[in-house]
Amino acid sequence: GQNIDQPTEMTATEGAIVQINCTYQTSGFNGLFWYQQHAGEAPTFLSYNVLDGLEEKGRFSSFLSRSKGYSYLLLKELQMKDSASYLCAVSSFSGGYNKLIFGAGTRLAVHP
Amino acid sequence: ETGVTQTPRHLVMGMTNKKSLKCEQHLGHNAMYWYKQSAKKPLELMFVYSLEERVENNSVPSRFSPECPNSSHLFLHLHTLQPEDSALYLCASSSPQIQENTGELFFGEGSRLTVL
Repeated sequence: GQNIDQPTEMTATEGAIVQINCTYQTSGFNGLFWYQQHAGEAPTFLSYNVLDGLEEKGRFSSFLSRSKGYSYLLLKELQMKDSASYLCAVSSFSGGYNKLIFGAGTRLAVHP
Repeated sequence: ETGVTQTPRHLVMGMTNKKSLKCEQHLGHNAMYWYKQSAKKPLELMFVYSLEERVENNSVPSRFSPECPNSSHLFLHLHTLQPEDSALYLCASSSPQIQENTGELFFGEGSRLTVL
């Protein structure tokens, strides 16, 4: 079966650091994606991990441990505009297309 | 115009109506997707088209009928829907994961559907 778990909601303070965890159990794995979705807007790509370790991209970093079925998204120097939902998705490529299975998303609220 | 464009952005329909959602991508991608997003639930994959051929149909009721006339356009035809079908319908596109390309999905902003 397919199961992707992430916390439903988190709150944090402007300027702080927050870590959003994601655990997964899937039948296939070709990498893990993180997306950001502001209310009423399209999900937008943040990061992709296919090998174990940390990928850093500015204020955002993403970590993957394939043996543990675990990933996290780390957001540093939080800004008010980071208030959004963060979606964890496991990828299984098949025949030229990317089948993404999503978690329910973590709604992050950043307070002054 | 660039990216993935969906129309209409909002749609209200009765259970006996027939309507269509449209998606257009100008990114040169070869795969297009329909996802359903309901409150507090994960995005649910509905259909995938790769090179204009339907390659995934995740047990979606027949009242939802997709159509992909070419690699840039994707439709979702709606007929005799139920109130529980009210949701945000997201279209996405992608290109194959080769070399430096992650194969990420590019999403449109969605069509908010309300079935009365």
